[in-house]
Amino acid sequence: NAGVMQNPRHLVRRRGQEARLRCSPMKGHSHVYWYRQLPEEGLKFMVYLQKENIIDESGMPKERFSAEFPKEGPSILRIQQVVRGDSAAYFCASSPPADSYEQYFGPGTRLTVT
Amino acid sequence: QKEVEQDPGPLSVPEGAIVSLNCTYSNSAFQYFMWYRQYSRKGPELLMYTYSSGNKEDGRFTAQVDKSSKYISLFIRDSQPSDSATYLCAFLTGRRALTFGSGTRLQVQP
Repeated sequence: NAGVMQNPRHLVRRRGQEARLRCSPMKGHSHVYWYRQLPEEGLKFMVYLQKENIIDESGMPKERFSAEFPKEGPSILRIQQVVRGDSAAYFCASSPPADSYEQYFGPGTRLTVT
Repeated sequence: QKEVEQDPGPLSVPEGAIVSLNCTYSNSAFQYFMWYRQYSRKGPELLMYTYSSGNKEDGRFTAQVDKSSKYISLFIRDSQPSDSATYLCAFLTGRRALTFGSGTRLQVQP
């Protein structure tokens, strides 16, 4: 059973460009979460999605960041007009439906903004 | 006061030692308690998950929760060099947004 998949693993963008990060949850999982790990800082929650719904986006920056989890295909975290402070590791996690609170993480996408 | 306090280490122990990792927390709404292991430049790996006070054992790992003291621990018996990693405590309220500690870096010397 494949785990959570993220791509690309490494992404380099110049300031002002857009970054798109993709996450495919584990088979049978319908809940997706995005976390950010800034250099020398802990993991911080960004957003929680189910298919076609944003459930909790309390950790998302108010501007430039958006997330979706369409009916078909992977979840996407989009960062518009990237700045140097967006350089971080972005992790996606997934969990099964219903009452399970266990979250399983992918390998992450390391975004570098030059 | 930080919501979660975790000593960053590094904690260096000889192979075969018993390791004790700890976190304190201040949010009384935390209901679920987890430990993750993260190797360098990898994603966090779920080790232990519990929602009640007391002990939970899984192989060489034991998770301990004391809700009255707002204190959780992870014990690793017979530590191995392959256990060298950063260990993250994590907490959930009824929502699904994990709150993480900053991580303790563990080094097990062969």
